[in-house]
Amino acid sequence: DGGITQSPKYLFRKEGQNVTLSCEQNLNHDAMYWYRQDPGQGLRLIYYSQIVNDFQKGDIAEGYSVSREKKESFPLTVTSAQKNPTAFYLCASTDRALSGGGLNEQFFGPGTRLTVL
Amino acid sequence: RKEVEQDPGPFNVPEGATVAFNCTYSNSASQSFFWYRQDCRKEPKLLMSVYSSGNEDGRFTAQLNRASQYISLLIRDSKLSDSATYLCVVNIELEAGTALIFGKGTTLSVSS
Repeated sequence: DGGITQSPKYLFRKEGQNVTLSCEQNLNHDAMYWYRQDPGQGLRLIYYSQIVNDFQKGDIAEGYSVSREKKESFPLTVTSAQKNPTAFYLCASTDRALSGGGLNEQFFGPGTRLTVL
Repeated sequence: RKEVEQDPGPFNVPEGATVAFNCTYSNSASQSFFWYRQDCRKEPKLLMSVYSSGNEDGRFTAQLNRASQYISLLIRDSKLSDSATYLCVVNIELEAGTALIFGKGTTLSVSS
């Protein structure tokens, strides 16, 4: 079955530690995205990547870093510089943007719940 | 710059009721529109895309008014299983690509 996997499902981190969240997709999608969701809030874009070896900051990139060395993988590192990292992290992917503008639907992974102790 | 506003909710309705959700978006250049459904502590999943001509999928009807930058979702004959948060989503052009902007969602609770 094609889809997006994220691991781990739950992650606990001590203050001052860096942690890396995994995101893998076998949908052959070019574009991948990382979002953060806080309780009662919408999804906020952290980083996005339209193609391998290229990525861009979203609205809330401070304290996060990513890499896109392979088409199917887009790991997110939450660094100690992120002051309030406890949240639900969602990875998504989509086909290339439509010609003339627009975007196909995004498919989401099951998410990782990060808690800072 | 890039806002999607939705009815705050929550909407509490009995089974069989008809309920409508509204959404406005600020970016007039947006070209893709969706409604996603998110169950508690789960990832969002596509409910339906929204087309200019309006579209229907069973009990669900979505409409788009580009002039007013307004999107709606109508659910007829509500079921208990419809209880979830509904997210209004539009695309936006960023510095180096295209992304989706999500509203905060409207929570629906259907009771027997």
